[in-house]
Amino acid sequence: AQKITQTQPGMFVQEKEAVTLDCTYDTSDQSYGLFWYKQPSSGEMIFLIYQGSYDEQNATEGRYSLNFQKARKSANLVISASQLGDSAMYFCAMRVRRFSGYALNFGKGTSLLVTP
Amino acid sequence: SAVISQKPSRDICQRGTSLTIQCQVDSQVTMMFWYRQQPGQSLTLIATANQGSEATYESGFVIDKFPISRPNLTFSTLTVSNMSPEDSSIYLCSVAGGGNEQYFGPGTRLTVT
Repeated sequence: AQKITQTQPGMFVQEKEAVTLDCTYDTSDQSYGLFWYKQPSSGEMIFLIYQGSYDEQNATEGRYSLNFQKARKSANLVISASQLGDSAMYFCAMRVRRFSGYALNFGKGTSLLVTP
Repeated sequence: SAVISQKPSRDICQRGTSLTIQCQVDSQVTMMFWYRQQPGQSLTLIATANQGSEATYESGFVIDKFPISRPNLTFSTLTVSNMSPEDSSIYLCSVAGGGNEQYFGPGTRLTVT
């Protein structure tokens, strides 16, 4: 079974600082995909970044980067230069096969609060 | 990319009644997914809806409680039946894009009193 673990229920960071949100996963598959989503208080799910298991480089998207350590089965999200608008819930997720496509299995999430 | 709309955006319902949530996608997709997010919790997959076949439910979810329709490649409905306060959640539909993308609708906030 595929499992995602996020051990930080809540995190604080000061504006303009960098923050790392932890995510570990468990799977027996050789090919897998990992996602990070942001959910502000409005409830929408905003895709941030994707990392495939065979990707040789760590994924980056603007201020977001994914610290992918395959041997440790970790896929931590790094947010650089935090902004007040980054305050939200952050979910790590793994792709799970459903028929000819994929759904997502989510971790419990980390609540990030950015302070001035 | 796929743009997904859901109706209603929110509702307050009485115990014992049913609510049907609609999900519309702006492009044809083979599979649609329904998730539930209980207050303060993460997202949990309810079922996978393939066009032209019965939906497939995850462990802990049954068709009698959450019947799903998928009449065409751009539309699906999820009904929450015989509601209780424990059904108060955000319900989200999702589709997979052509690559690695997974797109979500804005969600339906359901409160059961």
